[in-house]
Amino acid sequence: DQQVKQNSPSLSVQEGRISILNCDYTNSMFDYFLWYKKYPAEGPTFLISISSIKDKNEDGRFTVFLNKSAKHLSLHIVPSQPGDSAVYFCAASGLGTYKYIFGTGTRLKVLA
Amino acid sequence: DTAVSQTPKYLVTQMGNDKSIKCEQNLGHDTMYWYKQDSKKFLKIMFSYNNKELIINETVPNRFSPKSPDKAHLNLHINSLELGDSAVYFCASGSGVRETQYFGPGTRLLVL
Repeated sequence: DQQVKQNSPSLSVQEGRISILNCDYTNSMFDYFLWYKKYPAEGPTFLISISSIKDKNEDGRFTVFLNKSAKHLSLHIVPSQPGDSAVYFCAASGLGTYKYIFGTGTRLKVLA
Repeated sequence: DTAVSQTPKYLVTQMGNDKSIKCEQNLGHDTMYWYKQDSKKFLKIMFSYNNKELIINETVPNRFSPKSPDKAHLNLHINSLELGDSAVYFCASGSGVRETQYFGPGTRLLVL
């Protein structure tokens, strides 16, 4: 029962262009969402989060959009840089729980 | 001054052995977590402790036992290791509900 899904296992983008990573969820009780970035042989590092009371949150080159009716969130990276090449995980949490449910990740490759 | 550290980084062992993985955080967080990332790259929560009390205990075999001697440490002991236990185990810490979780670098366990 995969409550958080990232249907694109990989994505390649040219440097300077926009990267769009997508995430879908099934549990309507989720109310907090995060994106993590992971480099090989390292632990995931936090990138950006969004609460369900918002539909957009921006931090520098990174913007997360939340569409609650579609149960969909996306991460936009503009402009993409080679150092952004990593695996990106979305995660969701619901109603005051400590538990995060992670997606399976999307491997982003930014081509120089 | 690593925020969340794990030892060992790599662990190769035979089936049937007992092994422990240690985790320490210096962020002053009250909550610590163990995650397992399997060969399919699913990152799944196993356990969580808040102020040394177990608050999340997912469907994990009894061979896995977490121990939290204080709120800065959360160790994972695994008895009678099986081939299917081969995975990367991540420790994480956070300051509470809806708070960012900070991950350690992971322990790569290979059971032969």
